[in-house]
Amino acid sequence: EVQVLESGGGLEQPGGSLRLSCTASGFTFSDYAMTWVRQAPGKGLEWVAGISGSGDSTYYADSVKGRFTISRDNSKNTVFLQMNNLRVEDTAVYYCAKGWVVIERALGGFDYWGQGTLVTVSS
Amino acid sequence: DIQMTQSPSSLSASVGDRIIITCRASQTISVYLNWYRQKPGKAPELLIYTASTLQHGVPSRFSGSGSGTDFTLTISSLRPEDFATYFCQQTYSIPLTFGGGTRVEIK
Repeated sequence: EVQVLESGGGLEQPGGSLRLSCTASGFTFSDYAMTWVRQAPGKGLEWVAGISGSGDSTYYADSVKGRFTISRDNSKNTVFLQMNNLRVEDTAVYYCAKGWVVIERALGGFDYWGQGTLVTVSS
Repeated sequence: DIQMTQSPSSLSASVGDRIIITCRASQTISVYLNWYRQKPGKAPELLIYTASTLQHGVPSRFSGSGSGTDFTLTISSLRPEDFATYFCQQTYSIPLTFGGGTRVEIK
């Protein structure tokens, strides 16, 4: 059974940092891209970042480029999202999801999602 | 960036109704289009990928069609668990983008 579990959310002040973790099981972790998607309160879905199975390729939304860093440790089946210089508009539930083999031109969707972790940025 | 526009933004329907949700891309995306259902307070669930392929375990009342810029999601007979919000998503190019969502409410 595939499982995806996020952790690391919480309350942080503007300009601060948080590191989200996502641990997955039930599939060959290094074979698949992983991604972070966020959802602000009462709003739609926003793709944030993605990383290839090997970790060699990373991709970001313009809204977080230069502030957020996605990485993975395939020995621990874990993907991370380092969030620096947080802004009020980063407040959202952050979901980790299993992707297809690649991020771009992916012939598959995000088929397994975690339950989400809430990040609140406020002074 | 590719903009994804869904319509309608919301609709009211009854159990057993057939509904169609549309999604339009601002440029051609071939069949790199996925559909998700999100129930309140839950993570999204993948329903359809590559425009028309049913994800494993998803009931056959869901179907998708389209290519290029215009796509549809059809639910042939609404069940109580289908009253939720639906999102389309393109995986043709970075940044990946979602439509704004279609909320399906009980009439």
